[in-house]
Amino acid sequence: GQQVMQIPQYQHVQEGEDFTTYCNSSTTLSNIQWYKQRPGGHPVFLIQLVKSGEVKKQKRLTFQFGEAKKNSSLHITATQTTDVGTYFCAGSGGSNYKLTFGKGTLLTVNP
Amino acid sequence: AAGVIQSPRHLIKEKRETATLKCYPIPRHDTVYWYQQGPGQDPQFLISFYEKMQSDKGSIPDRFSAQQFSDYHSELNMSSLELGDSALYFCASSFGLSNTEAFFGQGTRLTVV
Repeated sequence: GQQVMQIPQYQHVQEGEDFTTYCNSSTTLSNIQWYKQRPGGHPVFLIQLVKSGEVKKQKRLTFQFGEAKKNSSLHITATQTTDVGTYFCAGSGGSNYKLTFGKGTLLTVNP
Repeated sequence: AAGVIQSPRHLIKEKRETATLKCYPIPRHDTVYWYQQGPGQDPQFLISFYEKMQSDKGSIPDRFSAQQFSDYHSELNMSSLELGDSALYFCASSFGLSNTEAFFGQGTRLTVV
């Protein structure tokens, strides 16, 4: 079945440093979505990427979808304490409509 | 804006009891997903429904069943509860099946004692 791997599992940074999390799928994806979950909260949708090689930006966040549509990354520039949380990628592909989540990357930011 | 509503928010049950979790999707959303999230883990897909029909099935135990009703709300029925069923159960809804963002509810925290 479809597997989505995500690294790193944890990342601790100083406020102002950059952060990147990477996502790889065992199969070609039709789309990939990114979610943020704060401690004790629920996953909140950030963005969806559909096209090969797509790049989208949301303020300090940059999302990329690989040319082969099997990998993706989320980059945060100049992290802030409000960026703390777990970032999940989730993909679906082919006839498989369900979203398969990666293990997530827990980001902590030292002020 | 209306969000996905889950009830109850918290539930404590004893082993071997049954539990029913309810999910009310965003209005006009026709697809519902159920996920189980253990402590410090990623959400694990259980089952989904599209237009009141099961659309996909994941790692849902045989002790669990779910359905989507005519008003598109969904219920997850859990029987013969085990300690390992203790987790956060999220429901998410979307409009359509593919290439569409899913909106998550705040979850039901089930504790089995």
